[in-house]
Formats: sequence, structure tokens, C-alpha cells
Amino acid sequence: GESVGLHLPTLSVQEGDNSIINCAYSNSASDYFIWYKQESGKGPQFIIDIRSNMDKRQGQRVTVLLNKTVKHLSLQIAATQPGDSAVYFCAEKTSYDKVIFGPGTSLSVIP
Amino acid sequence: DAGVTQSPTHLIKTRGQQVTLRCSPKSGHDTVSWYQQALGQGPQFIFQYYEEEERQRGNFPDRFSGHQFPNYSSELNVNALLLGDSALYLCASSAGSGNQPQHFGDGTRLSIL
Repeated sequence: GESVGLHLPTLSVQEGDNSIINCAYSNSASDYFIWYKQESGKGPQFIIDIRSNMDKRQGQRVTVLLNKTVKHLSLQIAATQPGDSAVYFCAEKTSYDKVIFGPGTSLSVIP
Repeated sequence: DAGVTQSPTHLIKTRGQQVTLRCSPKSGHDTVSWYQQALGQGPQFIFQYYEEEERQRGNFPDRFSGHQFPNYSSELNVNALLLGDSALYLCASSAGSGNQPQHFGDGTRLSIL
């Protein structure tokens, strides 16, 4: 079936360090991948996306890497700040706008 | 520019009752999707509306139904509520089909007693 999973449920990093959040997806036909950040009491907030014809995409302090061979997605956050503490979800789009979310990784930033 | 707005923010119902949740999409967006998010889990896709029709549906029973209005706003209806329906219900909007990011509202927290 379709599923998107994350390797680690929790991640703690020191403020200023780089964070890497990993994700495995299962549907080879997925052509669009998205990372969301969800803070407590809020809805998911779009961070960055990547299409299946790309391997890497950079935003402000964030980079997403896509490895289609092993169906792996990662989110790198540079110089992690306390405001980055949240739950991060990877998601894949399989058809139309049906988006499948993984279970999430909770990132804690240690001051 | 208002983002996705949902109402109400919180709701308490009892088993067997019916509930209607509402969503206004982000300005310029015409596609609305609904998700259910249980505590500690990722959002689960319920269905999507475009041009006032249900275009895609996830693995949810017929007790879950929806509607989209000509102004693109949407409602989610749940009948015969069960304790397991307690969750955060999220609405997301996007501009048409294709690979465009969805923008989420802050959800409606539904508690079933």
C-alpha cells in the first residue's frame, strides 16, 4: 500500500548545529514530495517541496534531498534555532492532490 | 491576504451525534482537502473537493461526507459520531491540480464524549 515513514520519531540537536531529518517513502509512482513543519496547536506549515525530476532543492536554511533509487527523502536545516523546534512531516503526492503523510519526527533544539 | 480559516476551533460532541466543520480556502485557491489527525500521528487524507465535486477520497467510511460551495469554501460532515472520531480535523487548500503545495488551516479540535 501507499505509505510514507520516518526513521526517527525524535531528534535533539544543539542550537547552531545542523539538523538532518530522514524519511522513507514506498510509492515509486509518487512525483512530488513536501516537507511540513507543525508547531503545537497549529496546522502544518509548508517548508519546501521537490519534484521527482530533481535530486536537491535549497531554500532559506533548508535543503531537501531526494534519492529515488532507495526511495529516501531528507530535510537538512542549517544553523538550527530554537524556533525550529516542532514536528516535521514528509509527505508524498501520488495522484491529483492526494497527499500521504508520514508519522512525523519531533525536533527539539537545545539552547 | 488571509490564509486558510477553519471554524469552529474546538467542538465537543457525544456519540451518535452529527457535526459540521467549515473551511474557507486561501485567496486564489480553488481546491480543498480535508485531513484527520489523531494525537501523535500524521494527518490522514479524507477527501478532496474541486469544482464542487469530490475528486479523491481516502480510506474513510461514508459517515464522512463533504461539500464545496461556488465560492470554494467547504464543509466536512460526520454522522453517527464514534469515540474514535476524536481528532484534529485539518483543511488544506491549493490552486488547482498539479504539483502545488497545500496550505493548511489550524484545524478544528473535535472531542467525542
